[in-house]
Amino acid sequence: GDSVTQMEGPVTLSEEAFLTINCTYTATGYPSLFWYVQYPGEGLQLLLKATKADDKGSNKGFEATYRKETTSFHLEKGSVQVSDSAVYFCALSGIIQGAQKLVFGQGTRLTINP
Amino acid sequence: KAGVTQTPRYLIKTRGQQVTLSCSPISGHRSVSWYQQTPGQGLQFLFEYFSETQRNKGNFPGRFSGRQFSNSRSEMNVSTLELGDSALYLCASSFVSVKPQETQYFGPGTRLLVL
Repeated sequence: GDSVTQMEGPVTLSEEAFLTINCTYTATGYPSLFWYVQYPGEGLQLLLKATKADDKGSNKGFEATYRKETTSFHLEKGSVQVSDSAVYFCALSGIIQGAQKLVFGQGTRLTINP
Repeated sequence: KAGVTQTPRYLIKTRGQQVTLSCSPISGHRSVSWYQQTPGQGLQFLFEYFSETQRNKGNFPGRFSGRQFSNSRSEMNVSTLELGDSALYLCASSFVSVKPQETQYFGPGTRLLVL
């Protein structure tokens, strides 16, 4: 079945460091790919998405490129801030049994120190 | 436009009881999905409703059920609660359910604690 594997956390960085969170997927068909972020005590917020191969999603300085050849969707940010501390989830969306379903990775906890 | 709302936000129940959680989707959205989030299992899909019909179901026991009303609001019910049902239950809505590129928007969740 469809699955998503994320880089194990937790990840701790200093402010202004470069961030990469790896995400690879296994899927049949042509899924869309998403990154969601969860701040403490809150639900999930959409960070960015890409719907086809070679698409680049971007938002708030974060970027991820849909790489079909490596089945990857790594999240990057050039200079992180303390406010980026949160849990990040990679997810794929496919049509399963005639309806859309999101499959999530296990999440990566990111802590940014000032 | 108001986001996805879930009630209640927090709930404490004891084993054997049942619970009903409510979700109101974004106005105009007709698809509502439910997910369970636990530290051990992560985010797992429960079920999805579209136009009052369950279209997809995850791998959960029959104690977990749901429904959707004509105004797209959805409820999920868990009967005979077990300690392992303690989790954050997240609801997500989208405009339609048959396109993989459709974005699902999540509510803040209901945190259920079973004692």
